[in-house]
Amino acid sequence: DTEVTQTPKHLVMGMTNKKSLKCEQHMGHRAMYWYKQKAKKPPELMFVYSYEKLSINESVPSRFSPECPNSSLLNLHLHALQPEDSALYLCASSQDGGGTHYGYTFGSGTRLTVV
Amino acid sequence: DAKTTQPNSMESNEEEPVHLPCNHSTISGTDYIHWYRQLPSQGPEYVIHGLTSNVNNRMASLAIAEDRKSSTLILHRATLRDAAVYYCILRDVDTDKLIFGTGTRLQVFP
Repeated sequence: DTEVTQTPKHLVMGMTNKKSLKCEQHMGHRAMYWYKQKAKKPPELMFVYSYEKLSINESVPSRFSPECPNSSLLNLHLHALQPEDSALYLCASSQDGGGTHYGYTFGSGTRLTVV
Repeated sequence: DAKTTQPNSMESNEEEPVHLPCNHSTISGTDYIHWYRQLPSQGPEYVIHGLTSNVNNRMASLAIAEDRKSSTLILHRATLRDAAVYYCILRDVDTDKLIFGTGTRLQVFP
């Protein structure tokens, strides 16, 4: 298995809803990442998990809450989002926390619309 | 985070070679040069990476200048499926960050 799987592929949520995005990989990668991508813009790094611990938070608002229950799974919990949070949310993994010698594997993303 | 500069867009004809340039004049000695591409409606895809020496793989070649202040991604024979946004990224060995720049949108014409 050489993929990063993200579910759901599409999500529409209201500003008062709570929802979660899920990301899974079975490549034995020990680093996992969340990115946010607005239309026609490059992906922006949100969070980095290394060996199941949060190592980087790029000053992301608290309405986004990441969780790494185990080495294969990464969640992004969403609460009280704003319409401007509508974007493509991408998950990625790499072989180790340093990862310098390895590339990242990205999922296809969850397209989130906040109404 | 060290920055990269790429042209906004480039065009190529099918089956011709494509040279995608990237300038990274502030690169540090430990930064790796990574290239990713993103096809429409997909997540980014790893293409190639290198430190000092030129690199080849099944997808592309990476030519790195001797002073490491620039690099070129080479697609040897462009196909329509190579139409994508190509990102050149410097990967800091001290942090686990892959920070994307604005990239180059490559159009390939039949």
